[in-house]
Amino acid sequence: NAGVTQTPKFRVLKTGQSMTLLCAQDMNHEYMYWYRQDPGMGLRLIHYSVGEGTTAKGEVPDGYNVSRLKKQNFLLGLESAAPSQTSVYFCASSYLAGGPSTDTQYFGPGTRLTVL
Amino acid sequence: AQSVAQPEDQVNVAEGNPLTVKCTYSVSGNPYLFWYVQYPNRGLQFLLKYITGDNLVKGSYGFEAEFNKSQTSFHLKKPSALVSDSALYFCAVRDMSGGYQKVTFGTGTKLQVIP
Repeated sequence: NAGVTQTPKFRVLKTGQSMTLLCAQDMNHEYMYWYRQDPGMGLRLIHYSVGEGTTAKGEVPDGYNVSRLKKQNFLLGLESAAPSQTSVYFCASSYLAGGPSTDTQYFGPGTRLTVL
Repeated sequence: AQSVAQPEDQVNVAEGNPLTVKCTYSVSGNPYLFWYVQYPNRGLQFLLKYITGDNLVKGSYGFEAEFNKSQTSFHLKKPSALVSDSALYFCAVRDMSGGYQKVTFGTGTKLQVIP
């Protein structure tokens, strides 16, 4: 099992450019999440999904869009990148809430994004 | 609203000494509580969790955590620190009341174990 994988690992964008981060999991998890990690602020939830075809906003959704067309994939899009979006982005997945492994989240290795 | 606080940005401990990383939480209902560890340039890894039952929870790599409902705390402990324990530790909480609630993470505590 690969677990949770993220592509790309690193990216540098210019202000106004767009990009898509891909997250894939092979554990058949229902829930998937996108977080950003910034120094001194811990992890902040951007968007999450409770199943294929559904998405919801987290704490800091502005400037990002997501899609969950397939259960195993969760895409994070930046339509017009801004320097404030320079961060490390983590994807995670978990079993259906309420199950025996409730909410234990499995994280990908992260994507380090710099917006100039 | 739920929240979690990690009052120490960094904890330094000598190798072989016991370590404690503090966490306090606030929820309106019963909490699910978690500890995760992050090694440099890696994603977070699950260490342990409290759902219900025994207040002392044992997890990976010899870590344990004690749930204290009256003090709303969930401190992470290890009897004897190793240099390899040096990492960033995150406490997290989920409120179990009122349907699905997201997990809220603390800001993290950097643990430095000194040889």
